This record gives sequence, C-alpha cells and structure tokens, in this order.
Amino acid sequence: QKEVEQNSGPLSVPEGAIASLNCTYSDRGSQSFFWYRQYSGKSPELIMSIYSNGDKEDGRFTAQLNKASQYVSLLIRDSQPSDSATYLCAVKNQAGTALIFGKGTTLSVSS
Amino acid sequence: EAGVAQSPRYKIIEKRQSVAFWCNPISGHATLYWYQQILGQGPKLLIQFQNNGVVDDSQLPKDRFSAERLKGVDSTLKIQPAKLEDSAVYLCASSPGQGVGGYTFGSGTRLTVV
Repeated sequence: QKEVEQNSGPLSVPEGAIASLNCTYSDRGSQSFFWYRQYSGKSPELIMSIYSNGDKEDGRFTAQLNKASQYVSLLIRDSQPSDSATYLCAVKNQAGTALIFGKGTTLSVSS
Repeated sequence: EAGVAQSPRYKIIEKRQSVAFWCNPISGHATLYWYQQILGQGPKLLIQFQNNGVVDDSQLPKDRFSAERLKGVDSTLKIQPAKLEDSAVYLCASSPGQGVGGYTFGSGTRLTVV
C-alpha cells in the first residue's frame, strides 16, 4: 500500500516566523511531489511542485525534496495569518497515475 | 481559462437514497479524477478517467458507486444507495494529460447523509 504520511498538527507559529511542514512517502519510485493548500470549507489549491532533489523556491515558499530519505518538506518564510490553512502533501508515483495525498497538516499563524 | 465546474455545491439526503454529482473539467483536459474527502482526512481517489476510458477505479465501492464520462468531457458520479459513511466532500479534478504534473480541483460537492 503506497502511503504518504504527514503530522496532522496543529502547527502553531507566530506571525513572521518560519513554518516547516514535513511529509514522508513509502514508494521509492515516486516521481513528482506537490504541496496543496486547503482553507477550511474550500477545495485544495496547488502551491508548489518539485520533481528533483534539492530546493525549489517560489516567493515565501520553499519546497525541499530528498528522494534517498523519501522526504519532502515545505518551508513558509515570514508566515502570515492568511497562511493559516491545512497543507496537503501529494505524491505521484509515475506518469499516468493519480496523486496520493497525505492527511494534511493544519497550520495556525497567530498575529 | 474557466476552472473545473461542479454541481451541486451541497446535498443532504437520507440514507438509502440515491444522489448524483456532476463535473465539467477545464476545456481540453483529457484526464478527470473524482476524489472523496472525509472531514479531517486527505482526498482519496475514487476513479480516474482518460478521455472516456477508466484508468483506475480500484478504490471505487462498485456495489454502490458508479461514474461515467461518456463523451470524454463532463462526468457524473452516482451513489445508490447512500450510507451514513458516504458523508464527505466529493472533489473533481482535471489535468491536460497523464504526465507528471499536478492538477486543478473544482469547488467540490459537500454531501451529508442523514
């Protein structure tokens, strides 16, 4: 059974701090990795994708991938109250298959 | 471009009744997915279509759930008869093809079975 694991949280950080969200996956053959943000009562929104080892930065967001450790992380710098949401890690094992999601980590940013 | 359209937004039914959800993907997107998201959990794939063919329906409870995408464009997901544990948000998503990229979700249908 291919799995994606996340700490459900909640993760609480003060405004302006760095939030670090982590995810592990079980299938070593996984090819592509995504972070979705989901506000309460809304559908998931794609915020980051990463396909190769290392870091990928987009504004205040940095995705990190370590395939040897089967580990993906998302860093949010200068966290804002508007970043308060559930962050879903998703993995695609190979082209043609559907995304497998973790349960999500709830982030709360206090002002 | 217009996003993934879903209807209805909300539905309340009694157990053992039937219900249907509709999805219209982004124009030109060949691949369409239906996910079920139970409160507090991540989305779980129910079925994946490529054009009008089924790619993966291994997690679809086929004794009560059915889905079709007859013309390779919009899709319908049906539950008959509904159980209490079917209460969830049903999310539709689409992507241009079966590549390695992510995809866009619709706004979802929140189903409550009482």
